[in-house]
Amino acid sequence: GQQVMQIPQYQHVQEGEDFTTYCNSSTTLSNIQWYKQRPGGHPVFLIQLVKSGEVKKQKRLTFQFGEAKKNSSLHITATQTTDVGTYFCAQETSGSRLTFGEGTQLTVNP
Amino acid sequence: AAGVIQSPRHLIKEKRETATLKCYPIPRHDTVYWYQQGPGQDPQFLISFYEKMQSDKGSIPDRFSAQQFSDYHSELNMSSLELGDSALYFCASRRTAQETQYFGPGTRLLVL
Repeated sequence: GQQVMQIPQYQHVQEGEDFTTYCNSSTTLSNIQWYKQRPGGHPVFLIQLVKSGEVKKQKRLTFQFGEAKKNSSLHITATQTTDVGTYFCAQETSGSRLTFGEGTQLTVNP
Repeated sequence: AAGVIQSPRHLIKEKRETATLKCYPIPRHDTVYWYQQGPGQDPQFLISFYEKMQSDKGSIPDRFSAQQFSDYHSELNMSSLELGDSALYFCASRRTAQETQYFGPGTRLLVL
């Protein structure tokens, strides 16, 4: 079953607004990865978080891993139309398989 | 830079037919993963191979089988296709001890 819950399922924003997606787990996560999938495309790795309380930034994207390693978030500042897509969190579990959250589909109105 | 190659990109089959999907990993990547993504859903892990041996198995139906060959390419064989098998099938590859799985462009399978 799904180990990582992700919200919201959909998010519509105006260009320039901020966007955040959240992943939550009932159990402690050893790591969390984030992927972006453009419409009609394939998942593209964005980042991996491993340490409790870790915060990483990539330009307008900020990734956080909770202190208890049970939640994570991806925040995009001042969205652009190029940010459109579905953002997935994923946990790498035994055997290195990825278990994905349900994803948040982001649309940006210009 | 070289990426994961999947073929065919699109495939249309009838119910009860068979299909073979191919994956060519990035050079020097020794692990291959297969994922199935239904419409509007997240990718679901099917199976993986490391150094030509099956390394992990997920929710792969018994009608499906897969293998990795000596040149590291992998094939997913699907028999007795059902309507519910219509999905995007992604192959991903990785080099041991690196964190990133690189996904191929996917094969879109439609079963009629």
